[in-house]
Amino acid sequence: AQSVTQLGSHVSVSEGALVLLRCNYSSSVPPYLFWYVQYPNQGLQLLLKYTTGATLVKGINGFEAEFKKSETSFHLTKPSAHMSDAAEYFCAVSDRGSYKLIFGSGTRLLVRP
Amino acid sequence: DAGITQSPRYKITETGRQVTLMCHQTWSHSYMFWYRQDLGHGLRLIYYSAAADITDKGEVPDGYVVSRSKTENFPLTLESATRSQTSVYFCASSESELGGNSPLHFGNGTRLTVT
Repeated sequence: AQSVTQLGSHVSVSEGALVLLRCNYSSSVPPYLFWYVQYPNQGLQLLLKYTTGATLVKGINGFEAEFKKSETSFHLTKPSAHMSDAAEYFCAVSDRGSYKLIFGSGTRLLVRP
Repeated sequence: DAGITQSPRYKITETGRQVTLMCHQTWSHSYMFWYRQDLGHGLRLIYYSAAADITDKGEVPDGYVVSRSKTENFPLTLESATRSQTSVYFCASSESELGGNSPLHFGNGTRLTVT
C-alpha cells in the first residue's frame, strides 16, 4: 500500500533562514505528490503539487519542492522563512488515476524571530 | 458564498451516543471525503464518495456510516460513539481525479470530543 513519511514532527528555524521539510514516499511507480499547509483552526490548503513534467515545482508563498525519483523524495523548501509561515505542513501522495489521498503525519514549522 | 461547510464546529457527546457530522459543498464536486486528524497520524481517510449514492471505505471506516443522497451533502454518522473517536474531522471535496487541475478543498473541521 502507498505510504508517505515525513521526517521530523517539529522543525524550528529563525526568520530569514532556509526552510527544509522532508517527505519520502513508498511507491515504485511515481505517484502524484502534494504539499498542504494547515493554519490553526483551519482546514488544509494546497501549497503545490507534482503530477508530470518539470521535477521542480513552485507553489504559493515562495515555497517549492523537487521530485527526485531516485530518492523517492519530495522535499519542501523556502529560501527565507517568514513568521507567517508558522503552520503545520503535510505531504500527501496519490496513485496515478486515483482520487484518494494518503497523508503523512505532518511537520509543525516554528519560526523564531 | 461558495465553499465547503462543516457543522458543528465543536461537539461534545457521551460514549454510546449517535452523532452526525454534516458537510455541505456548493461547487457540485463529484468527489467527497471524510478524514480524521489525530496527533502523530496526520489525516486518515474514513470514507469517500465518487458521486451521489456511491460510497466506499477508506483506511479507518469502523464505527462510521456515511450516505450521499445528494451531490452537495455528505454526512458522517458515528453510530455509537467511543472515546477513540475523539478527533478533528475534516470533510473535503474534489472536482475530478487528483492529478488534474482540481485540488482537494477542505472544510474547517469539526472537533469532536467523546466523554
